[in-house]
Amino acid sequence: GNSVTQMEGPVTLSEEAFLTINCTYTATGYPSLFWYVQYPGEGLQLLLKATKADDKGSNKGFEATYRKETTSFHLEKGSVQVSDSAVYFCARYGGSQGNLIFGKGTKLSVKP
Amino acid sequence: KAGVTQTPRYLIKTRGQQVTLSCSPISGHRSVSWYQQTPGQGLQFLFEYFSETQRNKGNFPGRFSGRQFSNSRSEMNVSTLELGDSALYLCASSFGAGGPGETQYFGPGTRLLVL
Repeated sequence: GNSVTQMEGPVTLSEEAFLTINCTYTATGYPSLFWYVQYPGEGLQLLLKATKADDKGSNKGFEATYRKETTSFHLEKGSVQVSDSAVYFCARYGGSQGNLIFGKGTKLSVKP
Repeated sequence: KAGVTQTPRYLIKTRGQQVTLSCSPISGHRSVSWYQQTPGQGLQFLFEYFSETQRNKGNFPGRFSGRQFSNSRSEMNVSTLELGDSALYLCASSFGAGGPGETQYFGPGTRLLVL
C-alpha cells in the first residue's frame, strides 16, 4: 500500500548525542518527502523536505537524504539539544493536492 | 506575516451534538487542508479546499464536512458527534497551485473532547 513507516519511540538521548530517526515509505513513483516537528501543545512545523531522489533537505542542523534505492528518508542530527525534544513526523505527498500521508511519529526526549 | 490561526483552541461537546471549527490561512494562501490527529490513528487527511471548492477528500464518513469562503477562511463541521471523534484537528494552508512539493503550514489545532 501507500504508507510511511517510522521507528517507534520514544527515543531518549543525552545532550550532544547523535540522532537518527528512521523513515521508509511505500509509493508509486517518487513522491516529495517531508519531516515535520511538533512541540508540546503546538501544531506541526516543517523541518525539512526533499522533492526528488538524492535531494538532501537540511535545517537547524537536521538533515535527511531522499534514497530511492532504499525508499528511505532518515532524519539525522549530529548533536542534539534539550530544545530538540519534540515529536517528529515523516510524511510523503499523498498523490493529491493538499494531502500528506504521515508516519506515526517518534517522540524524542533529550536530557541535559 | 501571521501564521495559520484556528478557533477555538479547545472544545468540549457531548455525543450527538455537532461542532464547527474555524481556520484562517496565511495571507495569500488559497488552499486549506484539514487533518485529524489521534493517539491511535495518528495524523489522517480529512479534506482539502481551494478557491471555495473541495478538491480532495480522505476516508472519513459523511458526518465530517467543510467549506471554504471567498477570503480562503475555512470551516469544518462534524455532526452527530461520537466518542471516537475526540482528537486534535489541524488545519494547514498553502498557496495551492505548487504541486507535490508545496509546503503546508499548520495551525496550532483545535482539541475536541467528546463526552
